Amino acid sequence: DAGVIQSPRHEVTEMGQEVTLRCKPISGHNSLFWYRQTMMRGLELLIYFNNNVPIDDSGMPEDRFSAKMPNASFSTLKIQPSEPRDSAVYFCASSSGLAGGTDTQYFGPGTRLTVL
Amino acid sequence: DAKTTQPTSMDCAEGRAANLPCNHSTISGNEYVYWYRQIHSQGPQYIIHGLKNNETNEMASLIITEDRKSSTLILPHATLRDTAVYYCIVRRRGSQGNLIFGKGTKLSVKP
Repeated sequence: DAGVIQSPRHEVTEMGQEVTLRCKPISGHNSLFWYRQTMMRGLELLIYFNNNVPIDDSGMPEDRFSAKMPNASFSTLKIQPSEPRDSAVYFCASSSGLAGGTDTQYFGPGTRLTVL
Repeated sequence: DAKTTQPTSMDCAEGRAANLPCNHSTISGNEYVYWYRQIHSQGPQYIIHGLKNNETNEMASLIITEDRKSSTLILPHATLRDTAVYYCIVRRRGSQGNLIFGKGTKLSVKP
């Protein structure tokens, strides 16, 4: 298996521009997570989906952030408009979401976003 | 989920065993202990998890004390590539939500 795939790996943009990050989860996994990592706040969850449905979006900073999962093999995280404080590494993770058991999350390589 | 306490940093000589401790004194009976690590500029990587029995896989061993209030992750023969931040996370059985990462232990493997 190729693991969780994220694109782009690096993104540099100017303040006010729209940014779209993409994620392909591991085939067969039904839970998908978007995390953000900064030096100040560490790793924090933004949103997670189960069976393509958003379950918890309480970590989404504000209305400038939106996430979609149109099908089981693809998700996007969009920032519009972007601001310098959005600069961070964004990770996508997926898990099989075993009911009644534990669900190990597998992370992608991340997208390093720089907003100038 | 129960809170964990880990040392901020540790050193280990290459080829020796690295023993990373974690305290989770408030763990409850249905909570697992998970270990992840993050090598610089990479995504977190799952290592191992356990409930109450010791566990071993190709990467590491996990030793959980009988009272389950602490655990130790053992890398039997540390290499330079094991230099990373190691996170101990306690997580409820059946939990479908996010992992809560603390500050972890920065392990430096030295030649």
